[in-house]
Amino acid sequence: GQNIDQPTEMTATEGAIVQINCTYQTSGFNGLFWYQQHAGEAPTFLSYNVLDGLEEKGRFSSFLSRSKGYSYLLLKELQMKDSASYLCAPAGDTNAGKSTFGDGTTLTVKP
Amino acid sequence: ETGVTQTPRHLVMGMTNKKSLKCEQHLGHNAMYWYKQSAKKPLELMFVYNFKEQTENNSVPSRFSPECPNSSHLFLHLHTLQPEDSALYLCASSSRRTDRAYYNSPLHFGNGTRLTVT
Repeated sequence: GQNIDQPTEMTATEGAIVQINCTYQTSGFNGLFWYQQHAGEAPTFLSYNVLDGLEEKGRFSSFLSRSKGYSYLLLKELQMKDSASYLCAPAGDTNAGKSTFGDGTTLTVKP
Repeated sequence: ETGVTQTPRHLVMGMTNKKSLKCEQHLGHNAMYWYKQSAKKPLELMFVYNFKEQTENNSVPSRFSPECPNSSHLFLHLHTLQPEDSALYLCASSSRRTDRAYYNSPLHFGNGTRLTVT
């Protein structure tokens, strides 16, 4: 089975940096995805890590430690539009759709 | 048109009705999925299709019946639903690669169908 743990809610200020942590336990592992989901909309892909280390993509970075079953998403220079739910989704095999989604972290960015 | 499109965006149906949800992807992907998202719950995988073949059914009740006529189209046929089936139904696609076993490609989601069963 798979178990994913991430904070339910976080609040941060516009312009600040926020780190959203995710710990997971999976029976198989083929990388970890982060998705962003605005209220009432579909999730959109943010990042993918399959090897240990940091992947940077503009204001967003994602880190993975496979040995610790741990990942984080780092958002820099927060903007109001970053208010959304952030979903941690480890993939059990090469089929991305078989990722198990966590409950998500609802991030609220305040002015 | 690009991406993943779903129709209808909203659907209200009675428990005795029969309706179908449609999904079409224009990304050249070879895998398609149906997900259910209920309020305050995580995304639940319902069905997986790889190269038009159903490879997974996550213990979904038979009142939900998927159909995948080709790699670009996916349907979800609904009949005799229950009020607890009211949710957002999301279609997604991905490119499942078999040549690089360590690499995965992300899911691309449609905007979903908001289903209300009365």
